[in-house]
Amino acid sequence: SSELTQDPAVSVALGQTVRITCQGESLRSDYASWSQQKPGQAPVLVIYGKNNRPSGVPDRFSGSSSGNTGSLTITGAQAEDEADYYCNSRDSSGNHVLFGGGTKLTVL
Amino acid sequence: QVQLQESGPGLVKPSETLSLTCTVSGYSISSGYYWGWIRQPPGKGLEWIGSIYHSGSTYYNPSLKSRVTISVDTSKNQFSLKLSSVTAADTAVYYCARPHRTGWYYFDYWGQGTLVTVSS
Repeated sequence: SSELTQDPAVSVALGQTVRITCQGESLRSDYASWSQQKPGQAPVLVIYGKNNRPSGVPDRFSGSSSGNTGSLTITGAQAEDEADYYCNSRDSSGNHVLFGGGTKLTVL
Repeated sequence: QVQLQESGPGLVKPSETLSLTCTVSGYSISSGYYWGWIRQPPGKGLEWIGSIYHSGSTYYNPSLKSRVTISVDTSKNQFSLKLSSVTAADTAVYYCARPHRTGWYYFDYWGQGTLVTVSS
């Protein structure tokens, strides 16, 4: 399969929990990784593998997986978490990188 | 600290070839990793273009494969992108990136990106 599908936009109240999802057949056999992108900046990896955070990423970010869906959860969303979030994985051949279409997160 | 910097023309004419170079500092390309090119049209999402290993082994996005060539110059610690027969649809910010040590297909070091506009 060669697609990852994300909701275009999600909103969350300040301090509340939000889940951003990513669907794709490739996720049945691989984990989604997640990157955060703020306007005018390059993406920043926030979650990779089963549920791993690069150094410096707050522990309010976590990842999970079920069936063909990967999820990024932000527990206690902060104003600075407002950004675009992209999932990515590889296709069924294992030789091509896939990106989801991105989810714009608004923190109210 | 690993740093990547894209360079190349910011304006390319339709039907011509887009050429960009990524210069890496703080890490030797010869030491490993599949180094990647990713682009982002204005207001749109990320699209993987392709990746190259220091040996020259490449993976390309099937939708771009016929027009893309990625090469590496380990002596200069650089890798390059060529995209031929460009159209306005190739206008985008182009990023070079290095993947995380645990997986070649997710990236944790990115260049700042360079905007390439295709226009006559």
